[in-house]
Amino acid sequence: NAGVTQTPKFQVLKTGQSMTLQCAQDMNHEYMSWYRQDPGMGLRLIHYSVGAGITDQGEVPNGYNVSRSTTEDFPLRLLSAAPSQTSVYFCASKLGTGGSYEQYFGPGTRLTVT
Amino acid sequence: TQLLEQSPQFLSIQEGENLTVYCNSSSVFSSLQWYRQEPGEGPVLLVTVVTGGEVKKLKRLTFQFGDARKDSSLHITAAQPGDTGLYLCAGALTQGAQKLVFGQGTRLTINP
Repeated sequence: NAGVTQTPKFQVLKTGQSMTLQCAQDMNHEYMSWYRQDPGMGLRLIHYSVGAGITDQGEVPNGYNVSRSTTEDFPLRLLSAAPSQTSVYFCASKLGTGGSYEQYFGPGTRLTVT
Repeated sequence: TQLLEQSPQFLSIQEGENLTVYCNSSSVFSSLQWYRQEPGEGPVLLVTVVTGGEVKKLKRLTFQFGDARKDSSLHITAAQPGDTGLYLCAGALTQGAQKLVFGQGTRLTINP
């Protein structure tokens, strides 16, 4: 099992550019999510999905889109990058919804927007 | 405003000392988790507590869920340099909650 994989590991964008952060899991998990991590703010939920074809907004969804066409993949799209989106992005998955399930995190993507 | 407040935000102590990290809220949580994150990696789950007053031990780490399920603590006995990292608490407001709320983290450094 590779667990949760994310690509790329690092990315630099210019303001206004778009890009997609890739996330895949091979554990057949129903639930997948995207977080951003900024200094002193812990992890903030961007979007999440409880199964293929179902997505919903988290705490900070503006400027980001997601889709879930398969159980395995959950890409995050930045439509028009802004410096405020400079952050470390983590994808996570867990077997089911509910707070007591263990959440498995990918290694993260460090994004810089200039 | 953070729904879960962690304290302290930074802690630097000598090897062998004991320490406690706190995770507090005015809200009641159905369950609470503690994660540890090392530089350049994603968080890794340490423990989940679900019952008020519950105490769980993981070697030198002791986790407690408050009786009212509004707070939690992590106590490390005889800290070692390998305990260095960012510790995050995360709570679910309801049993079927689809969203976890994270605290801002405690950055712990254990000096040899």
